Amino acid sequence: GAVVSQHPSWVICKSGTSVKIECRSLDFQATTMFWYRQFPKKSLMLMATSNEGSKATYEQGVEKDKFLINHASLTLSTLTVTSAHPEDSSFYICSAPGTSGMFRETQYFGPGTRLLVL
Amino acid sequence: GQQLNQSPQSMFIQEGEDVSMNCTSSSIFNTWLWYKQDPGEGPVLLIALYKAGELTSNGRLTAQFGITRKDSFLNISASIPSDVGIYFCAGQRGGTSYGKLTFGQGTILTVHP
Repeated sequence: GAVVSQHPSWVICKSGTSVKIECRSLDFQATTMFWYRQFPKKSLMLMATSNEGSKATYEQGVEKDKFLINHASLTLSTLTVTSAHPEDSSFYICSAPGTSGMFRETQYFGPGTRLLVL
Repeated sequence: GQQLNQSPQSMFIQEGEDVSMNCTSSSIFNTWLWYKQDPGEGPVLLIALYKAGELTSNGRLTAQFGITRKDSFLNISASIPSDVGIYFCAGQRGGTSYGKLTFGQGTILTVHP
């Protein structure tokens, strides 16, 4: 249980275009999901909390108009990077709370999406 | 944003050796988690700690939740080549911050056969 998928796994786009990244909980429902960003050889930094049926909440310093989040159903959250620029190039990872085997409910991560903006 | 202080930053060891890494924080966390991340992939949960003082094992991995709730360590015994990767500690608070994780800087582990 507690498998989280992301699509696409990697994307290359031109500067100025928008890119949508999907995060799905495959075998469980998640009313809340989280989006992280990771630069090369760096740690994960929380960007925003995606809430099913309501607005996302963003961490300080994250532009909500730049990173649009939609939690359309109990198994899907999307992150859209609008008008992407090269500095938006990064590894984007989502997480969702779930249970699996020996662990009580905790956070499980998707495999990540590598974004390269040219 | 805030990060946990994780050390060491990197380790180079021989296969079969034991490994120890730790994380400290200036503030309290309700849950401590340890993840392993391989290049180009998302973090995979190794161990979750839910109570202060808790000592938990998962195969060759052992982790403890500090009694002050401000620190945790992870030990890997008898390392093997597939242990190579980046290990992250993460803390989770309760209440309105439930689910939000604060990560350490990571420990890059290299195992020489």
